[in-house]
Amino acid sequence: NAGVTQTPKFRVLKTGQSMTLLCAQDMNHEYMYWYRQDPGMGLRLIHYSVGEGTTAKGEVPDGYNVSRLKKQNFLLGLESAAPSQTSVYFCASSPPSMTQYFGPGTRLTVL
Amino acid sequence: GESVGLHLPTLSVQEGDNSIINCAYSNSASDYFIWYKQESGKGPQFIIDIRSNMDKRQGQRVTVLLNKTVKHLSLQIAATQPGDSAVYFCAESPPGNTPLVFGKGTRLSVIA
Repeated sequence: NAGVTQTPKFRVLKTGQSMTLLCAQDMNHEYMYWYRQDPGMGLRLIHYSVGEGTTAKGEVPDGYNVSRLKKQNFLLGLESAAPSQTSVYFCASSPPSMTQYFGPGTRLTVL
Repeated sequence: GESVGLHLPTLSVQEGDNSIINCAYSNSASDYFIWYKQESGKGPQFIIDIRSNMDKRQGQRVTVLLNKTVKHLSLQIAATQPGDSAVYFCAESPPGNTPLVFGKGTRLSVIA
């Protein structure tokens, strides 16, 4: 089992560019999540999904979109990147009301 | 809104001593609690969890204590080792299909 994987591991964007982060899990988990973590800070929930085809907003959803077309994948999109979106992005998955398993993170820099 | 907080943002401990990391939660209806460890450059990693029908749960060198009366959670690490140096997050699970609420984290620094 690979667990939760994230692609890419690093990315540098210019302001206004778009990109998609891919999260994949092979544990057949219903729930998936996207978080951002700024230096020295905790995790902030961006969006989450409680099942294939469903998504919901988290604490900081503005500037991001998500899609869950397949149960094992959860995509995070930035339509027009801004320097304030420079952060480390973590994906996680879980069964309902159970612990979350995290991916290794994607380090994004927006210039 | 509901929040999970930590009493100490940083904790320095001598190698071999026991560590205690504290967490206060605010949602009295939360029924599941988790501690995560995050090493530098890595994602959070599950350490131990506890459900609200328990007061104490032990793992290997770690113990989680839950005091529902004062809404307090603690993580005890026995014989702290340099490899325990990391940021530790507590998380609570509110009722219903709502995501975990994470605390801000405590950085544990082990002094050799």
